[in-house]
Amino acid sequence: NAGVTQTPKFQVLKTGQSMTLQCAQDMNHEYMSWYRQDPGMGLRLIHYSVGAGITDQGEVPNGYNVSRSTTEDFPLRLLSAAPSQTSVYFCASSSQGAGGTDTQYFGPGTRLTVL
Amino acid sequence: GQQVMQIPQYQHVQEGEDFTTYCNSSTTLSNIQWYKQRPGGHPVFLIQLVKSGEVKKQKRLTFQFGEAKKNSSLHITATQTTDVGTYFCAGGGGANNLFFGTGTRLTVIP
Repeated sequence: NAGVTQTPKFQVLKTGQSMTLQCAQDMNHEYMSWYRQDPGMGLRLIHYSVGAGITDQGEVPNGYNVSRSTTEDFPLRLLSAAPSQTSVYFCASSSQGAGGTDTQYFGPGTRLTVL
Repeated sequence: GQQVMQIPQYQHVQEGEDFTTYCNSSTTLSNIQWYKQRPGGHPVFLIQLVKSGEVKKQKRLTFQFGEAKKNSSLHITATQTTDVGTYFCAGGGGANNLFFGTGTRLTVIP
């Protein structure tokens, strides 16, 4: 199993550009989520999904969209990139809800810089 | 909203010294998870505690969950250079929410 994969690993955008961060998992996990990590801020939840066709907002959803058309994939879209979105983005999955009793498996991350 | 605070933010120790990081929540948690992130890496699950007052050990690591289920600690005995990284606690606050602490970055000086 590849686990959780993310692409790209690094990305530089100009302000106003849009892009999609890809995330896929091959563990048949129902729950997937996106976090951003900023220095001194820990990991903050952006959006999450409890299954295909179901998504919901996390702590910091503004400026991001998600969709979950399949169990495996959970892309994160930046609609109009801003310098404040410079961060490291992690995708995670688990077989149960995050407040439940299961491990979160994290992808390797995407380091995004917005100029 | 729910917050999970973690202290200290940074800790430098000599190899062989002990290390402790503390996690405090403003509300009662359903469970607490601990993760380790190596420099340049991604968070990796270490352990989960569910019961009030629970204590679990993994070799030199001891994890505790408070009686009120609002706080937790991770203690490392006799640190080694392989312990370097950032340790995060994450509290379960509901059906689909996991609140991460700000992390404690551990540096071990050989």
